[in-house]
Amino acid sequence: GAGVSQSPSNKVTEKGKDVELRCDPISGHTALYWYRQSLGQGLEFLIYFQGNSAPDKSGLPSDRFSAERTGGSVSTLTIQRTQQEDSAVYLCASSLGRMNTEAFFGQGTRLTVV
Amino acid sequence: AQTVTQSQPEMSVQEAETVTLSCTYDTSESNYYLFWYKQPPSRQMILVIRQEAYKQQNATENRFSVNFQKAAKSFSLKISDSQLGDTAMYFCAFVTQGGSEKLVFGKGTKLTVNP
Repeated sequence: GAGVSQSPSNKVTEKGKDVELRCDPISGHTALYWYRQSLGQGLEFLIYFQGNSAPDKSGLPSDRFSAERTGGSVSTLTIQRTQQEDSAVYLCASSLGRMNTEAFFGQGTRLTVV
Repeated sequence: AQTVTQSQPEMSVQEAETVTLSCTYDTSESNYYLFWYKQPPSRQMILVIRQEAYKQQNATENRFSVNFQKAAKSFSLKISDSQLGDTAMYFCAFVTQGGSEKLVFGKGTKLTVNP
């Protein structure tokens, strides 16, 4: 695609439910990142993929959070048993995977847990 | 720990004037890249400028330039001839060669350009 695509753009869910957030990176980009942005805060790193493997998942806040990437392309971030503190914008980015290359971001998924 | 500090949560500037956003970072690595990203109200993050740590010359991109002081671990962004479209959140970030190549971001500076 032309850019990084994330879906849904907005999601409202009830506390305790599971949610899946999807990221379609730019074709050919081997690196994929997930970040969380809470209101008025910076970007909190969650997980990084190189191809289908995740060399760094140190940012996942708890075992309720998991992510996978298939075919070196689409990634899904799953949050189980959502809590109100999970409410945030979840941003996905992709890049060619070399350190100095630009990371292209999607427009994010705004998750609201009520 | 690798951290980025942006000490100015909010700034404002008059249209056509110059503004400087500050950023300091902390890493024990010697080879890394520094970035400034812009996030307008649309939420779309856009790369503004990048700097390689091994280059002494400061990067410039049109009205945007940086003042990179490696010894001080400082990486400020100067915006010249500010335009209304520059109103956005600005994030400083870096990535190191030793490690997972994750971008580490600061908390951002909210810049408002006033007419």
